This record gives sequence, C-alpha cells and structure tokens, in this order.
Amino acid sequence: EVQLLESGGGLVQPGGSLRVSCAASGFTFSSYGMSWVRQAPGKGLEWVSYISGGADNTNYADSVKGRFTISRDKSKNTLYLQMNSLRAEDTAVYYCARHSMATGPDWGQGTLVTVSS
Amino acid sequence: QSVLTQPPSASGTPGQRVTISCSGSSSNIGSHNIYWYQQLPGTAPKLLIYGNNQRPSGVPDRFSGSKSGTSASLAISGLRSEDEADYYCSAWDDSLSGWVFGGGTKLTVL
Repeated sequence: EVQLLESGGGLVQPGGSLRVSCAASGFTFSSYGMSWVRQAPGKGLEWVSYISGGADNTNYADSVKGRFTISRDKSKNTLYLQMNSLRAEDTAVYYCARHSMATGPDWGQGTLVTVSS
Repeated sequence: QSVLTQPPSASGTPGQRVTISCSGSSSNIGSHNIYWYQQLPGTAPKLLIYGNNQRPSGVPDRFSGSKSGTSASLAISGLRSEDEADYYCSAWDDSLSGWVFGGGTKLTVL
C-alpha cells in the first residue's frame, strides 16, 4: 500500500525558513515523479513544485520560484521542500503527491505551514 | 484565477444526477489526462477519477468522468447526502510543466 506521510509544518515568522518532509513507503520511490501541492485556508489547490524520479528535473510555480527548493533522498525514501523567505501568503496545508499514470496520483494527508508574526 | 475553469457551485436532490464541468486549453486538458478529486471539510483531497474516466478501487460507479477536446466533466448519479463536498479537476500543463487545478465546485445536496 502506498503511504505518504508529511511532517515538519509549523509556525514561522515572515522572512523565515522551514523544511517540510514527505516519507514514502509501499513503492519504489526512485521510480516516480513527486510533487508538492498546497491549499491556503478556505482556498483551492495550487501546485507548487515537481521533481522527477531521478531528481534530474525540477519545476516550480512562479509564486515560489527562487524561494523554494524541492529535493529527494533515495536512501531515506523521503521528499523535501525547503522554503525560504516565507510570506504570509505561503500559509497553507502542504501535500506531497506521487505521480502515477497507472493508478492516478496518490496524496498524503498534509502538513500545515503558518507564516505569521 | 485558476487555469482550469469550474462552476463555483452545483446542487441536486437525493437520487438526482449532477454534472460538473471543467474547461481548459490545448496545453492541459487537450493534451493530458484529467483527474477529479473530492474533498470533504478538513480532509485531504481524495482521487475520484484518473485517466479521464478510470475509477480507483473503492470509488463507487456512481461517479464517472469524460473528456472531449479541451473540456471534461464529472457526473454523479444517484446523488447522496455524503456526496456533499468540494470537487476539483486537474491536469498536467505543458506550459507550466506542472499540475493545474480548477477553482473547485461546491456541491450541495438539497
């Protein structure tokens, strides 16, 4: 069974940094592209970033480009999102998701990041 | 402003059939599979449809998806009170090189 467990969310001041993680299990981690998607309180879903299975291709939404960095550790089966220069508008639940054409995307339960002074 | 366009709300009575539309462009729906998600309050989105019209294991066959050109739709037949939720469409977008989403449709069961 595919499992994705996000962690690392919390309260951070504007301008601060935070790293959220996604522990993956139940599949061959390095064989799948992964994304981060966020949802601000009361708002819709917004794709944030993508990384290929081999980590040789990464993409970012314009809203986070230059501030956020996606990465993955094959040895730990873990996906990361390093978030710097955080703004109030980055406040959201952050979900990690596995790209799968065969069965459709799998999502985790999310971790809440709050940017506030 | 979402890349994919959905109606903000939809409604129906128990037992009815409702459809939710999703409009995009050649760089997303026109070129890639559409996904539909159901989100209940306070929970993560749940995949309802993938590959335009495929249901994951456990999703009732009351839910069905279709796609034509740059538009797609989700149909829910035999509407039930527990179907009251937010519904989102999504597709990969070549211009963005990432997923795009609709703004969500709030379904009310009257």
